[in-house]
Amino acid sequence: KAGVTQTPRYLIKTRGQQVTLSCSPISGHRSVSWYQQTPGQGLQFLFEYFSETQRNKGNFPGRFSGRQFSNSRSEMNVSTLELGDSALYLCASSLQGGMYEQYFGPGTRLTVT
Amino acid sequence: AQSVTQLDSHVSVSEGTPVLLRCNYSSSYSPSLFWYVQHPNKGLQLLLKYTSAATLVKGINGFEAEFKKSETSFHLTKPSAHMSDAAEYFCVVSDQGDKIIFGKGTRLHILP
Repeated sequence: KAGVTQTPRYLIKTRGQQVTLSCSPISGHRSVSWYQQTPGQGLQFLFEYFSETQRNKGNFPGRFSGRQFSNSRSEMNVSTLELGDSALYLCASSLQGGMYEQYFGPGTRLTVT
Repeated sequence: AQSVTQLDSHVSVSEGTPVLLRCNYSSSYSPSLFWYVQHPNKGLQLLLKYTSAATLVKGINGFEAEFKKSETSFHLTKPSAHMSDAAEYFCVVSDQGDKIIFGKGTRLHILP
């Protein structure tokens, strides 16, 4: 079974730009969660999508948004990038979320200059 | 409200000695508990999970964890550390609300 894939793996953007990251979950998994990881703040939950609906949301500004498609693939978008958005963005897929274990992708390393 | 506290941000042990990574949780319901490991520049990998079956859970790479409801703890242990165990470890709690909370992580250093 193929694992979770994230594209692109590395990205460099300029302040004020926007970016879209993509995540393909494991086949059959309906839950996709996104996390931001930085040295200072650690691993922070962004949001979770389940069957194309946002089910849970963390404490991030509205510049961070996401969506999930009917094939469970998910995208997250960050608009008006700030230097502080530089981070590793991790996607995790799960059969149904919650008590089910998550399988993580390798992450997308975003650098904002 | 649920929460999870990893009591040590860094732990150093010598190769071949036991490992103990501590995790306390708070949950209104019967929680599911997980430990994940992240090696440098890699994604997270599930080590083990507890979902109200046996209180002693065995995971991969010789790790195990014991769920103690009275102490609200889920500490991760390994009898003998190996150099390849050097990584960051995350304790995670999930309850009936389907929210998933990660601890801040414990970085494990293995001394030769």
